[in-house]
Amino acid sequence: ETGVTQTPRHLVMGMTNKKSLKCEQHLGHNAMYWYKQSAKKPLELMFVYNFKEQTENNSVPSRFSPECPNSSHLFLHLHTLQPEDSALYLCASSQDPGQGTYEQYFGPGTRLTVT
Amino acid sequence: AQSVSQHNHHVILSEAASLELGCNYSYGGTVNLFWYVQYPGQHLQLLLKYFSGDPLVKGIKGFEAEFIKSKFSFNLRKPSVQWSDTAEYFCAVSDNFGNEKLTFGTGTRLTIIP
Repeated sequence: ETGVTQTPRHLVMGMTNKKSLKCEQHLGHNAMYWYKQSAKKPLELMFVYNFKEQTENNSVPSRFSPECPNSSHLFLHLHTLQPEDSALYLCASSQDPGQGTYEQYFGPGTRLTVT
Repeated sequence: AQSVSQHNHHVILSEAASLELGCNYSYGGTVNLFWYVQYPGQHLQLLLKYFSGDPLVKGIKGFEAEFIKSKFSFNLRKPSVQWSDTAEYFCAVSDNFGNEKLTFGTGTRLTIIP
């Protein structure tokens, strides 16, 4: 059982749609992350939020827009995506983002297919 | 910039065989090292981690990893694998300067044949 939940688990959307991915952590952590997992590629860090403030934007296209209203919730708003954006999107959280020593806890991911 | 290499993309072993999965990283400073595992249909979870101290780290389910600084390596080992170890294994590294970024390798798919 993971302390990080993600909804929806699967999403199919057209290139003109707007949708949002949701992540919630029940671990009392201070940092939350979005990753993209594509086949045969390393997990790619997209965004980092530390105490609700965005501290990392890893050159992600603007069609991906994150939102972190509080330390427990993280959203990824999607609009006008491309087929190559189809991937597994993982959310993670950690206790102390400033140390680099605390492990990240991952959610089950949202499998996104862009048609 | 950091990078992590996992040279074994797919490993197939019989039950009870010994396992060693390679992980090399490129970063000249102090690093924190992790192995994560993703069982079929499950979320990514931590197997073990190294921050400092004894370079031989023991994790869950009988796994261990050895940090060899001179070789920039952090190989994962298990003396006798089980069918339930079938999963994808990811090596990851973060630096030790207040950087919360984890850099992952491409992963190694391990298939255990009963």
